[in-house]
Order: sequence, then structure tokens, then C-alpha cells
Amino acid sequence: DAGVIQSPRHEVTEMGQEVTLRCKPISGHNSLFWYRQTMMRGLELLIYFNNNVPIDDSGMPEDRFSAKMPNASFSTLKIQPSEPRDSAVYFCASSLLQGQVDEQFFGPGTRLTVL
Amino acid sequence: KNQVEQSPQSLIILEGKNCTLQCNYTVSPFSNLRWYKQDTGRGPVSLTIMTFSENTKSNGRYTATLDADTKQSSLHITASQLSDSASYICVVSPLMFSGGYNKLIFGAGTRLAVHP
Repeated sequence: DAGVIQSPRHEVTEMGQEVTLRCKPISGHNSLFWYRQTMMRGLELLIYFNNNVPIDDSGMPEDRFSAKMPNASFSTLKIQPSEPRDSAVYFCASSLLQGQVDEQFFGPGTRLTVL
Repeated sequence: KNQVEQSPQSLIILEGKNCTLQCNYTVSPFSNLRWYKQDTGRGPVSLTIMTFSENTKSNGRYTATLDADTKQSSLHITASQLSDSASYICVVSPLMFSGGYNKLIFGAGTRLAVHP
């Protein structure tokens, strides 16, 4: 298996532009997570999907952020309009939730720079 | 106050030496504690996962310990290698109730540099 795939790996955009990050989870996994990592705040959960349904979006910073999971093999995180403070590394992770403990596998991340 | 505190923030050791990283947490009740390794420019990779009933878990040269009474964990690296240079992140998951999920609470990490 290729692991979690994210695209693009790097994105540079100007303030006010729309940004779309993409994620392909590991085949067979039923849970998908979007995280953001910054020097100041470390890793933070943005949103969690289970069986393609958003379960916990309490970490989404504001309405400018939205996430979708139209099917089991694809998810997007959209920022519209983007702001310089959105600059961070965004990770997608997936897992197979069975019972109490699941191992989350992280993708390589998308480094976003908003100018 | 952070729910997961790690120390030291950074550490430099010589190749071949051992080291121990510390993690204190306040998450309660808690379900499991994980250690992740994150190489520069890459996503975190799981090293160990321990439930509240486990005291130790090993993965090659990495050994994690857990004291649920004092809410402390440590990660011991034996015979360090240059490839061990990375950030090591302690992650705690609160107890998952029915219908819940393993929400991860991350520490800030310890940045380890192994020098030849």
C-alpha cells in the first residue's frame, strides 16, 4: 500500500485566494483526520470523518475552512479566502477504527504558505 | 496549561549513546499513550501505543514506559544512530466512550539531534 497520499506537497498562494488540499486515505480505513501543524501550536486536529461522515469539526478554526469526504478514498480541505495566518503544514491521517485503539497513519503533509 | 508536557525541548547526543525523553500528562481519564517520530519534512510515524494497563512497550531500539499513577511516560532510545535525529512527540488519547473515537492530544515534541 502506498500509504496516505496528499497533494500538493507545497502550495504558495496570495492572501484572499482559495486553497484546496487533497487526501487519499489508506484503502480499507474507515476514519480520516485533518491536522494542522505550526511552530506555535504544534499538531492540532481540525476535523474527523468516520465512514465519510464528519463526526467532530470542533477544531475547524472558522467558516473559511471546510472539509468534505465524498467517498471512502478521497477528502478535501478548502480554505476560502486564505489568510497569512493559515500558513502551516496540513496533515491528513487515516485509521481503521475497531475497538478502543486505532493506529493513525499520517500522510507526508502539505506545506501551505499564504503571502 | 498544556495537557501533555514534554522535556527536554531539545537534546543533542553522540552517536551510540542512549537517551531518555520525558512526557507528563494531565489528560484524565485516559485511554492510551503514543509516541511518534517525526522526521523533518515528513508526517509523524507511530513508534509505540500503550493502553492505560500497560507499563512498557518496545519497538526495536525504542522502549516506552508508562506510569498511569503519576501520569508520566518516557521514551528510551538505545545505541542511538544518526537516523534517530528527529522530533519525538508524546500523544495522549482520552478515554473513548461509546460512539467516540481516539482523539489525539499532542505534546510539543522533543527535538533530538544525534551527532557523529
